[in-house]
Amino acid sequence: GAVVSQHPSRVICKSGTSVKIECRSLDFQATTMFWYRQFPKKSLMLMATSNEGSKATYEQGVEKDKFLINHASLTLSTLTVTSAHPEDSSFYICSARERISSYNEQFFGPGTRLTVL
Amino acid sequence: EDQVTQSPEALRLQEGESSSLNCSYTVSGLRGLFWYRQDPGKGPEFLFTLYSAGEEKEKERLKATLTKKESFLHITAPKPEDSATYLCAVRSAGGTSYGKLTFGQGTILTVHP
Repeated sequence: GAVVSQHPSRVICKSGTSVKIECRSLDFQATTMFWYRQFPKKSLMLMATSNEGSKATYEQGVEKDKFLINHASLTLSTLTVTSAHPEDSSFYICSARERISSYNEQFFGPGTRLTVL
Repeated sequence: EDQVTQSPEALRLQEGESSSLNCSYTVSGLRGLFWYRQDPGKGPEFLFTLYSAGEEKEKERLKATLTKKESFLHITAPKPEDSATYLCAVRSAGGTSYGKLTFGQGTILTVHP
């Protein structure tokens, strides 16, 4: 149980294009999903918190208009990197927390490697 | 502001050589301390949650303990397949109720055969 998937696992795009990354909770309902960014050999940096049916809460320094987050259902959240540039290249990881309790663990997806040329 | 510091940054062990990883934290009202394992190019894999000082949890060769200021991840007789980055994170009562985790920088564990 508690499986989180991400799609795609890898994406290469040209500078200026937009890229959408999907995060799905496969066997549970996730009230809250989180989006992280990780640089090589560094820890996870929280970008935003997404609650089903409401606007995402962004961490300080994260551009809302560049990283669009939509949490359309209890099993799906999407992150769209708009007008991507080489500095947006990174490993993006989502996590999901089960609906039942706010104390529950977060389960992470396998990550998406974004490379912007 | 919640803070998490892990040490050492990297640890090299011989197979069978037991050791411990440290996670020191400062948090306003702990609502859980979490240990994750992360393999290269993959997302973190959940290992343990600890909620109160004195609590201990075990899974195979791993044992996590918690005090009011720090947590230890003890690895007994490690094997090469235990090689990974181990991440510690805390969730506090402060801020929003959305359950934000603050991560440490991780400990890179390498176990040589």
